[in-house]
Amino acid sequence: AQKITQTQPGMFVQEKEAVTLDCTYDTSDPSYGLFWYKQPSSGEMIFLIYQGSYDQQNATEGRYSLNFQKARKSANLVISASQLGDSAMYFCAMREPQGGSEKLVFGKGTKLTVNP
Amino acid sequence: NAGVTQTPKFQVLKTGQSMTLQCAQDMNHEYMSWYRQDPGMGLRLIHYSVGAGITDQGEVPNGYNVSRSTTEDFPLRLLSAAPSQTSVYFCASSYGRYYTEAFFGQGTRLTVV
Repeated sequence: AQKITQTQPGMFVQEKEAVTLDCTYDTSDPSYGLFWYKQPSSGEMIFLIYQGSYDQQNATEGRYSLNFQKARKSANLVISASQLGDSAMYFCAMREPQGGSEKLVFGKGTKLTVNP
Repeated sequence: NAGVTQTPKFQVLKTGQSMTLQCAQDMNHEYMSWYRQDPGMGLRLIHYSVGAGITDQGEVPNGYNVSRSTTEDFPLRLLSAAPSQTSVYFCASSYGRYYTEAFFGQGTRLTVV
């Protein structure tokens, strides 16, 4: 079974609008971390935002926020006021303690295109 | 502040050749890992290490070897390259706790012909 599911292969948004990228996860561990990474066309992996399983509030980093719904096991990324430079692949990832191995598992990604 | 350094950035191999992808980090991270990225597949974990002298397999380990003799270095070896190993390879490091983000190298684009 997939640990991380991103159901939107591609998304389009108009510049200056907000967009939500979906991510659902599967774990039975009470302790885990959820991460979003951005991969522009140049190929590097850029860390955007983190949400811990015990965090009471949704994480925010500038224009990025994470809509964390623990009971639904979802961790959607919200980008406000989209910019052309936001066009990229976006990956959701999860990390569980797993007896010390703490592997980082990725979803298949969503390609976001911001239109002018 | 170099972070995670991968070499080479590009490589073309013939089927059956061997090579080593190098990865070094200068952040004193315990945890290092190798991923491969294929179109439509996201990043898949090949091997990882939780400290010097300790390595373990990830999701797609076949055809790859690793070792971790120092905290800083985590090379990935392809013993006999196959076209199925054509991919982009990323090395990552972190403090190895579930609540810490991973830092990635720039990636190596490998083509096996």
